[in-house]
Amino acid sequence: DAGITQSPRHKVTETGTPVTLRCHQTENHRYMYWYRQDPGHGLRLIHYSYGVKDTDKGEVSDGYSVSRSKTEDFLLTLESATSSQTSVYFCAISTRQGGEYEQYFGPGTRLTVT
Amino acid sequence: AQSVAQPEDQVNVAEGNPLTVKCTYSVSGNPYLFWYVQYPNRGLQFLLKYITGDNLVKGSYGFEAEFNKSQTSFHLKKPSALVSDSALYFCAVSGVNAGNNRKLIWGLGTSLAVNP
Repeated sequence: DAGITQSPRHKVTETGTPVTLRCHQTENHRYMYWYRQDPGHGLRLIHYSYGVKDTDKGEVSDGYSVSRSKTEDFLLTLESATSSQTSVYFCAISTRQGGEYEQYFGPGTRLTVT
Repeated sequence: AQSVAQPEDQVNVAEGNPLTVKCTYSVSGNPYLFWYVQYPNRGLQFLLKYITGDNLVKGSYGFEAEFNKSQTSFHLKKPSALVSDSALYFCAVSGVNAGNNRKLIWGLGTSLAVNP
């Protein structure tokens, strides 16, 4: 898993509550990504980071925010969780910038919003 | 619009037979193409990629893929399937977006079932 851990691995929360998911990497990679995976939609990019305090939006960023205060941690926050945010969330890293470099994924967090 | 299509939701093959998982793409510029595999309750694992050069790319676990520019395809293949190859397979292409940045565009995945 390329030294990537995600926490928690499973979470059940109620609508309207804030939720923070953590991605931690041990290999000092600069580029980190948050995806969600849903049946019928494949993987969709939420946010990504290209360095400490440098982040940008992906294709489904509404309702999500991110922070990266140090290289090894990339946090995804759902400010007020909704049922539509029930999903499996994956963190990924890439070793270099540029479209030719593959991404390596963490084990995922299964989030259920009731 | 840039897109990736995996036309088969599910592929079934018998163990020992060759397998093919199909992928076609539509992107501007030269594509960078990737295959990933996802085992149950696991994250995605990189299998192989095409950047340039030889159209036949070899990757992990005995998989290979053939890039066909005229057909805009990048099909994943393996000469002899194993039951342990049963998993979800994703094709992705790195397309050029505004500002000349590249982002991965993902197919919806193909579920491969290898029967003993």
